[in-house]
Amino acid sequence: DTGVSQNPRHKITKRGQNVTFRCDPISEHNRLYWYRQTLGQGPEFLTYFQNEAQLEKSRLLSDRFSAERPKGSFSTLEIQRTEQGDSAMYLCASSLVGVEETQYFGPGTRLLVL
Amino acid sequence: AQRVTQPEKLLSVFKGAPVELKCNYSYSGSPELFWYVQYSRQRLQLLLRHISRESIKGFTADLNKGETSFHLKKPFAQEEDSAMYYCALRGGFGNDMRFGAGTRLTVKP
Repeated sequence: DTGVSQNPRHKITKRGQNVTFRCDPISEHNRLYWYRQTLGQGPEFLTYFQNEAQLEKSRLLSDRFSAERPKGSFSTLEIQRTEQGDSAMYLCASSLVGVEETQYFGPGTRLLVL
Repeated sequence: AQRVTQPEKLLSVFKGAPVELKCNYSYSGSPELFWYVQYSRQRLQLLLRHISRESIKGFTADLNKGETSFHLKKPFAQEEDSAMYYCALRGGFGNDMRFGAGTRLTVKP
């Protein structure tokens, strides 16, 4: 399977703990996006990278959230001091820059904060 | 501010009937509009985008700048069209995609 992969697929944690998610994009895709999706809502943009540079970050993104893409390949999203409101599906997508850029989504990581 | 509104959370039609999923947007410039679909137990995938002006799986969508709408239409719905549909907008110089809340389409036999 050469699609976008995300690990873990599910994560249950206690409030106050830190969690880290990983996204492996389609190889050679230079853009990588993170989204969050809560029940009954569409995906909400969090941040995106072009190669290793983080070019845009949502103003809604708390300081407890940080993302990296150190070598321009896989990316990690860390949430520090998790809160119950962080419970959501975290989606990753990757794309190749171009006129008809298409974002390919991963299966998501479902986070539950108890 | 960018905003995408899908007024119907649920839509149910019979097989063979026409279907229209509504999408309205708010954006001051020239946006790019998309429709994404998520079938049961599958990941989110692009269905079509307005700049391509193509028909995918019998679906079409026309961007109406006057009404700020991008409704998705299919003349004869099929059971396999049952899925969650999201309208999305990308505008300006940014690359953040703004999604609507989605419409769950059920096509009954």
